Amino acid sequence: AQKVTQAQTEISVVEKEDVTLDCVYETRDTTYYLFWYKQPPSGELVFLIRRNSFDEQNEISGRYSWNFQKSTSSFNFTITASQVVDSAVYFCALSEARSGMDSSYKLIFGSGTRLLVRP
Amino acid sequence: DGGITQSPKYLFRKEGQNVTLSCEQNLNHDAMYWYRQDPGQGLRLIYYSQIVNDFQKGDIAEGYSVSREKKESFPLTVTSAQKNPTAFYLCASSRRTGTPGNTIYFGEGSWLTVV
Repeated sequence: AQKVTQAQTEISVVEKEDVTLDCVYETRDTTYYLFWYKQPPSGELVFLIRRNSFDEQNEISGRYSWNFQKSTSSFNFTITASQVVDSAVYFCALSEARSGMDSSYKLIFGSGTRLLVRP
Repeated sequence: DGGITQSPKYLFRKEGQNVTLSCEQNLNHDAMYWYRQDPGQGLRLIYYSQIVNDFQKGDIAEGYSVSREKKESFPLTVTSAQKNPTAFYLCASSRRTGTPGNTIYFGEGSWLTVV
Protein backbone atom coordinates (compact mmCIF):
# COMPACT_ATOMS: atom_id res chain seq x y z
CA ALA A 1 0.00 0.00 0.00
CA GLN A 2 1.09 3.55 -0.62
CA LYS A 3 2.10 5.53 2.39
CA VAL A 4 4.01 8.69 3.20
CA THR A 5 5.48 9.20 6.66
CA GLN A 6 6.66 12.50 8.05
CA ALA A 7 7.77 11.52 11.48
CA GLN A 8 8.62 15.04 12.63
CA THR A 9 5.40 16.66 13.78
CA GLU A 10 6.95 20.00 14.66
CA ILE A 11 10.42 21.50 14.41
CA SER A 12 11.56 24.75 15.98
CA VAL A 13 14.81 26.44 14.96
CA VAL A 14 16.42 29.80 15.33
CA GLU A 15 16.79 31.96 12.26
CA LYS A 16 19.85 31.15 10.10
CA GLU A 17 20.00 27.56 11.27
CA ASP A 18 19.82 24.77 8.70
CA VAL A 19 16.91 22.38 9.04
CA THR A 20 16.04 19.07 7.37
CA LEU A 21 12.50 17.77 7.02
CA ASP A 22 12.27 14.02 6.64
CA CYS A 23 9.98 12.11 4.31
CA VAL A 24 9.80 8.33 3.97
CA TYR A 25 7.49 6.69 1.47
CA GLU A 26 6.18 3.24 0.65
CA THR A 27 5.09 2.07 -2.78
CA ARG A 28 5.19 -1.12 -4.80
CA ASP A 29 5.42 0.67 -8.12
CA THR A 30 8.69 1.25 -9.92
CA THR A 31 7.42 4.47 -11.45
CA TYR A 32 6.19 7.14 -9.11
CA TYR A 33 6.45 10.84 -8.33
CA LEU A 34 7.30 12.66 -5.15
CA PHE A 35 6.28 16.19 -4.24
CA TRP A 36 6.88 18.77 -1.56
CA TYR A 37 4.35 21.48 -0.77
CA LYS A 38 4.51 24.41 1.62
CA GLN A 39 1.41 25.56 3.52
CA PRO A 40 1.86 29.01 5.07
CA PRO A 41 -0.62 30.32 7.64
CA SER A 42 -2.84 31.63 4.85
CA GLY A 43 -3.72 28.02 4.02
CA GLU A 44 -2.82 27.71 0.36
CA LEU A 45 -0.56 24.81 -0.58
CA VAL A 46 2.39 26.08 -2.55
CA PHE A 47 4.10 23.62 -4.88
CA LEU A 48 7.85 23.38 -4.26
CA ILE A 49 9.19 20.43 -6.22
CA ARG A 50 8.29 17.29 -8.16
CA ARG A 51 10.71 14.41 -8.64
CA ASN A 52 10.18 11.20 -10.58
CA SER A 53 11.48 7.85 -9.43
CA PHE A 54 14.06 7.59 -12.21
CA ASP A 55 15.80 10.81 -11.32
CA GLU A 56 17.87 10.45 -8.18
CA GLN A 57 19.90 13.58 -8.64
CA ASN A 58 19.75 15.95 -5.73
CA GLU A 59 18.28 19.32 -6.50
CA ILE A 60 19.08 22.74 -5.17
CA SER A 61 16.96 25.83 -5.55
CA GLY A 62 18.30 28.79 -3.66
CA ARG A 63 18.21 27.93 0.04
CA TYR A 64 16.17 24.78 -0.63
CA SER A 65 17.65 21.40 -1.46
CA TRP A 66 16.20 17.93 -1.81
CA ASN A 67 17.88 14.57 -1.24
CA PHE A 68 16.16 11.65 -2.97
CA GLN A 69 17.42 8.17 -2.02
CA LYS A 70 15.56 5.19 -3.44
CA SER A 71 17.63 2.79 -1.37
CA THR A 72 16.07 4.17 1.80
CA SER A 73 12.76 5.32 0.23
CA SER A 74 13.39 8.83 1.42
CA PHE A 75 12.94 12.27 -0.07
CA ASN A 76 14.26 14.74 2.48
CA PHE A 77 14.05 18.51 2.25
CA THR A 78 16.68 20.86 3.64
CA ILE A 79 16.37 24.59 4.19
CA THR A 80 19.71 26.33 4.54
CA ALA A 81 20.01 29.50 6.59
CA SER A 82 16.35 29.42 7.59
CA GLN A 83 14.30 32.59 7.74
CA VAL A 84 11.17 33.54 9.64
CA VAL A 85 9.22 33.48 6.36
CA ASP A 86 9.99 29.76 6.10
CA SER A 87 7.63 29.12 9.01
CA ALA A 88 4.88 26.92 7.63
CA VAL A 89 3.63 23.37 7.45
CA TYR A 90 5.45 21.30 4.87
CA PHE A 91 3.88 18.29 3.19
CA CYS A 92 5.51 15.47 1.33
CA ALA A 93 3.30 13.60 -1.17
CA LEU A 94 3.48 10.54 -3.40
CA SER A 95 1.80 9.90 -6.75
CA GLU A 96 1.97 6.63 -8.58
CA ALA A 97 2.01 6.39 -12.36
CA ARG A 98 -0.02 3.81 -14.20
CA SER A 99 0.44 3.20 -17.90
CA GLY A 100 -2.38 4.51 -20.05
CA MET A 101 -3.75 6.75 -17.32
CA ASP A 102 -3.00 10.07 -15.80
CA SER A 103 -2.85 9.09 -12.18
CA SER A 104 -1.99 12.49 -10.84
CA TYR A 105 -5.28 12.53 -8.97
CA LYS A 106 -3.94 10.04 -6.49
CA LEU A 107 -1.70 12.17 -4.33
CA ILE A 108 -0.99 10.50 -1.00
CA PHE A 109 0.03 13.07 1.59
CA GLY A 110 2.06 12.74 4.72
CA SER A 111 0.70 14.32 7.87
CA GLY A 112 2.97 17.32 7.50
CA THR A 113 5.79 18.88 9.52
CA ARG A 114 5.20 22.24 11.15
CA LEU A 115 8.35 24.36 10.98
CA LEU A 116 8.73 27.34 13.28
CA VAL A 117 11.64 29.65 12.63
CA ARG A 118 12.23 32.01 15.53
CA PRO A 119 14.00 35.35 15.06
CA ASP B 1 -3.35 36.45 -12.99
CA GLY B 2 -3.88 32.74 -13.51
CA GLY B 3 -4.90 30.72 -10.53
CA ILE B 4 -7.51 28.89 -8.52
CA THR B 5 -10.13 30.90 -6.66
CA GLN B 6 -12.13 29.45 -3.81
CA SER B 7 -15.04 31.12 -2.08
CA PRO B 8 -16.05 31.79 0.55
CA LYS B 9 -12.89 31.78 2.65
CA TYR B 10 -14.90 31.24 5.84
CA LEU B 11 -18.31 29.66 6.12
CA PHE B 12 -20.51 28.77 9.04
CA ARG B 13 -23.24 26.21 8.68
CA LYS B 14 -26.00 25.07 10.94
CA GLU B 15 -26.43 21.37 11.42
CA GLY B 16 -28.78 19.89 8.86
CA GLN B 17 -28.00 22.43 6.16
CA ASN B 18 -26.29 21.87 2.86
CA VAL B 19 -23.57 24.28 1.81
CA THR B 20 -21.75 24.74 -1.47
CA LEU B 21 -18.12 25.75 -1.80
CA SER B 22 -17.11 27.42 -5.03
CA CYS B 23 -13.94 26.69 -7.00
CA GLU B 24 -12.97 28.41 -10.23
CA GLN B 25 -9.71 28.08 -12.17
CA ASN B 26 -8.40 30.02 -15.17
CA LEU B 27 -5.37 27.83 -15.77
CA ASN B 28 -7.09 25.90 -18.57
CA HIS B 29 -6.58 22.71 -16.58
CA ASP B 30 -8.68 19.70 -17.43
CA ALA B 31 -8.51 17.99 -14.05
CA MET B 32 -9.90 19.38 -10.82
CA TYR B 33 -9.97 18.00 -7.28
CA TRP B 34 -11.37 18.56 -3.81
CA TYR B 35 -9.34 17.71 -0.72
CA ARG B 36 -10.23 17.89 2.93
CA GLN B 37 -7.72 18.79 5.64
CA ASP B 38 -8.30 18.25 9.36
CA PRO B 39 -6.10 19.89 12.00
CA GLY B 40 -2.69 18.26 12.26
CA GLN B 41 -3.39 15.89 9.43
CA GLY B 42 -2.59 15.52 5.78
CA LEU B 43 -5.01 15.99 2.93
CA ARG B 44 -7.59 13.45 1.89
CA LEU B 45 -9.21 13.29 -1.53
CA ILE B 46 -12.99 13.81 -1.67
CA TYR B 47 -13.77 13.94 -5.40
CA TYR B 48 -11.92 14.52 -8.61
CA SER B 49 -12.83 15.25 -12.21
CA GLN B 50 -10.65 14.56 -15.22
CA ILE B 51 -13.00 16.11 -17.75
CA VAL B 52 -16.20 18.11 -18.02
CA ASN B 53 -19.38 16.22 -17.11
CA ASP B 54 -17.40 13.45 -15.46
CA PHE B 55 -16.19 13.00 -11.89
CA GLN B 56 -15.08 10.20 -9.60
CA LYS B 57 -15.23 9.54 -5.87
CA GLY B 58 -12.07 9.85 -3.89
CA ASP B 59 -11.29 8.28 -0.53
CA ILE B 60 -13.88 10.12 1.56
CA ALA B 61 -16.79 10.99 -0.76
CA GLU B 62 -19.63 10.10 1.60
CA GLY B 63 -21.74 13.13 2.46
CA TYR B 64 -20.36 15.22 -0.40
CA SER B 65 -21.47 15.91 -3.96
CA VAL B 66 -19.93 17.71 -6.92
CA SER B 67 -20.71 18.82 -10.45
CA ARG B 68 -18.51 19.66 -13.43
CA GLU B 69 -20.63 21.50 -15.96
CA LYS B 70 -17.84 23.80 -17.05
CA LYS B 71 -14.13 23.20 -17.44
CA GLU B 72 -13.23 26.07 -15.13
CA SER B 73 -15.68 25.31 -12.32
CA PHE B 74 -15.94 22.45 -9.82
CA PRO B 75 -18.27 23.28 -6.90
CA LEU B 76 -18.45 21.05 -3.84
CA THR B 77 -21.64 20.60 -1.84
CA VAL B 78 -21.31 19.47 1.75
CA THR B 79 -24.59 17.80 2.55
CA SER B 80 -26.31 17.24 5.86
CA ALA B 81 -25.30 13.59 5.53
CA GLN B 82 -21.67 14.48 6.20
CA LYS B 83 -21.29 13.63 9.87
CA ASN B 84 -18.27 15.75 10.69
CA PRO B 85 -18.01 18.52 8.12
CA THR B 86 -15.97 21.03 10.09
CA ALA B 87 -12.66 21.16 8.23
CA PHE B 88 -10.48 23.07 5.80
CA TYR B 89 -11.36 22.36 2.16
CA LEU B 90 -8.88 22.76 -0.65
CA CYS B 91 -9.66 22.82 -4.35
CA ALA B 92 -6.95 21.93 -6.83
CA SER B 93 -6.34 21.47 -10.53
CA SER B 94 -3.82 19.98 -12.93
CA ARG B 95 -3.24 19.39 -16.59
CA ARG B 96 -4.50 16.13 -17.93
CA THR B 97 -2.12 14.85 -20.55
CA GLY B 98 -0.59 11.56 -21.45
CA THR B 99 2.17 12.22 -18.96
CA PRO B 100 1.49 10.81 -15.51
CA GLY B 101 2.44 12.56 -12.34
CA ASN B 102 1.23 16.01 -13.34
CA THR B 103 1.71 18.62 -10.68
CA ILE B 104 -1.43 19.55 -8.78
CA TYR B 105 -1.90 23.22 -7.91
CA PHE B 106 -4.05 24.35 -5.02
CA GLY B 107 -6.37 27.22 -4.18
CA GLU B 108 -6.31 29.14 -0.92
CA GLY B 109 -8.87 26.95 0.76
CA SER B 110 -12.20 27.40 2.53
CA TRP B 111 -12.82 26.99 6.24
CA LEU B 112 -16.15 25.37 7.03
CA THR B 113 -17.46 25.36 10.59
CA VAL B 114 -20.66 23.69 11.67
CA VAL B 115 -22.40 25.48 14.54
